[in-house]
Amino acid sequence: DGGITQSPKYLFRKEGQNVTLSCEQNLNHDAMYWYRQDPGQGLRLIYYSQIVNDFQKGDIAEGYSVSREKKESFPLTVTSAQKNPTAFYLCASSSRDRGLDNQPQHFGDGTRLSIL
Amino acid sequence: AQRVTQPEKLLSVFKGAPVELKCNYSYSGSPELFWYVQYSRQRLQLLLRHISRESIKGFTADLNKGETSFHLKKPFAQEEDSAMYYCALSGRNAGNMLTFGGGTRLMVKP
Repeated sequence: DGGITQSPKYLFRKEGQNVTLSCEQNLNHDAMYWYRQDPGQGLRLIYYSQIVNDFQKGDIAEGYSVSREKKESFPLTVTSAQKNPTAFYLCASSSRDRGLDNQPQHFGDGTRLSIL
Repeated sequence: AQRVTQPEKLLSVFKGAPVELKCNYSYSGSPELFWYVQYSRQRLQLLLRHISRESIKGFTADLNKGETSFHLKKPFAQEEDSAMYYCALSGRNAGNMLTFGGGTRLMVKP
């Protein structure tokens, strides 16, 4: 189904290379998020963006970078500075928080990154 | 700092048995709690949230502020309930920021 599209599904990286993971959404959501999922550790927030041209570091931002030039797109670059990049990466989006209630996040299918 | 703990990585029950997936949290303010579920080959999706106070697919969860818990319960497990379950927390007015627990894999055996 549509909503959030992550590509590619599988990605391989050589040592010292930067790679960019794509995340596109057609839900007209203001907020977008990147998580890293490792076995037994749940999801950890890498970066998030509440609005176009603005983004904030999450809990594990070191070695990653993002941009938010368009509302629909929130690409994540895994740089060579990230020492342990092998993981499953999930992108999510949500409506902007209005009032007191937080809005649920909608997730993509994920990208699995492996180091060659 | 906020934290979510799911003490069981794997929970295995027989079909028809009651199931309880435990979730404990630490947060100094007023939290919002969620349960997300990921079925095999499907996306992670919201199952329920405490402010809705509703039952989804027979599951309920009550926020217990005294015990700082948000356990997920179902009286009679079904095989289709087998999935990965994540408890998540967000602070009020925290801009939708979610902190996830480590997840519990529920296996319902026939």
